[in-house]
Amino acid sequence: QQQVKQSPQSLIVQKGGISIINCAYENTAFDYFPWYQQFPGKGPALLIAIRPDVSEKKEGRFTISFNKSAKQFSLHIMDSQPGDSATYFCAASRRSGSARQLTFGSGTQLTVLP
Amino acid sequence: NAGVTQTPKFQVLKTGQSMTLQCAQDMNHNSMYWYRQDPGMGLRLIYYSASEGTTDKGEVPNGYNVSRLNKREFSLRLESAAPSQTSVYFCASSEPRTRLYNEQFFGPGTRLTVL
Repeated sequence: QQQVKQSPQSLIVQKGGISIINCAYENTAFDYFPWYQQFPGKGPALLIAIRPDVSEKKEGRFTISFNKSAKQFSLHIMDSQPGDSATYFCAASRRSGSARQLTFGSGTQLTVLP
Repeated sequence: NAGVTQTPKFQVLKTGQSMTLQCAQDMNHNSMYWYRQDPGMGLRLIYYSASEGTTDKGEVPNGYNVSRLNKREFSLRLESAAPSQTSVYFCASSEPRTRLYNEQFFGPGTRLTVL
């Protein structure tokens, strides 16, 4: 059961373009929504995150848009650069007993052409 | 400050063999996690440990066991490896354990192939 659905599976963008990755969740117990970036051969690393009481969060060229009623959120990468080429995972966090658990989307492989 | 370290980086096993994947963190984190990453499926939680002395099942625990050796170390054991366990395994840690906006820090991964 995929609790966090992510699309597209792959994305090719020209340098300077906008990259958009979408995610949707089902479980209303999720209360924190991070995005992770993963380069080949490396572990994922936190890129940006948002709380559900905020509709948008921007950090540099990266913006998360959040729609609580639709249970959807998206990552926008403005002025995409070749160095942004990586796999991006959306995730949703919830409390589980005395810890917190992350549920990940299936990932989007982004390629930014020079 | 090495963060999260994992050993080995690569491993090839035959069906039925056993092995232990090691993970250690030097950030004094309470919570540690084991994930597997398969193409098109993202990262799926195998087991986690909220604090030293506790472990809990995640989404895909079958075929695995874990040990939280101390606050720093969290190992994952495959008792009888199967080809379906071919995957990239990631260990992660986070702190504080119940903080709402806690970040998970990931190790570099172990690429395991079961023949």
